[in-house]
Amino acid sequence: GQQVMQIPQYQHVQEGEDFTTYCNSSTTLSNIQWYKQRPGGHPVFLIQLVKSGEVKKQKRLTFQFGEAKKNSSLHITATQTTDVGTYFCAGPGVTGGGNKLTFGTGTQLKVEL
Amino acid sequence: GAGVSQSPRYKVAKRGQDVALRCDPISGHVSLFWYQQALGQGPEFLTYFQNEAQLDKSGLPSDRFFAERPEGSVSTLKIQRTQQEDSAVYLCASSSFSVGTEAFFGQGTRLTVV
Repeated sequence: GQQVMQIPQYQHVQEGEDFTTYCNSSTTLSNIQWYKQRPGGHPVFLIQLVKSGEVKKQKRLTFQFGEAKKNSSLHITATQTTDVGTYFCAGPGVTGGGNKLTFGTGTQLKVEL
Repeated sequence: GAGVSQSPRYKVAKRGQDVALRCDPISGHVSLFWYQQALGQGPEFLTYFQNEAQLDKSGLPSDRFFAERPEGSVSTLKIQRTQQEDSAVYLCASSSFSVGTEAFFGQGTRLTVV
């Protein structure tokens, strides 16, 4: 079945350092979404990428969709303690239509002062 | 409502007990999803409704799991004869269209089966 893997699984950084998480799908994706889940919280939508090679920025966050539409990345510049949480990529499922999301394994980010 | 509301937030059930988890989606949202999230894992799809129609239930792990959305708004996920492996956070999400739009998640129900 469809698999969406993320690396690294965990990342500890000092405040002010950069952070990147990588997402790889076993199948080509029509679009990819990114979510952030704070400790004890629920996933919150960050962004959706649709086009091959697309790059979108949200303040210190930069999202990229690969040319082959099978991978994606999230880069955070100059991390802050408010960036703590787990970042998930998610793509539409290949079965049952594109309605459901298949979530990646997630990257847990910890930011130390 | 302002967001997706789930109740109860926490549920402790004895093994073998039946439980019912409720989801109030954002008003007017056509699509409703249930996900199961084990500790340290990403959410895993259980089932999907478009209005009152359950279009995809491929993720339900066994016939002990049943979901309904009879009037196309509130949904209930029922788990019969709970087992320890059912312990997880059950997340409900809704979205305004069926494909390719952001999903709004509720706070989840943390189910612990003892």
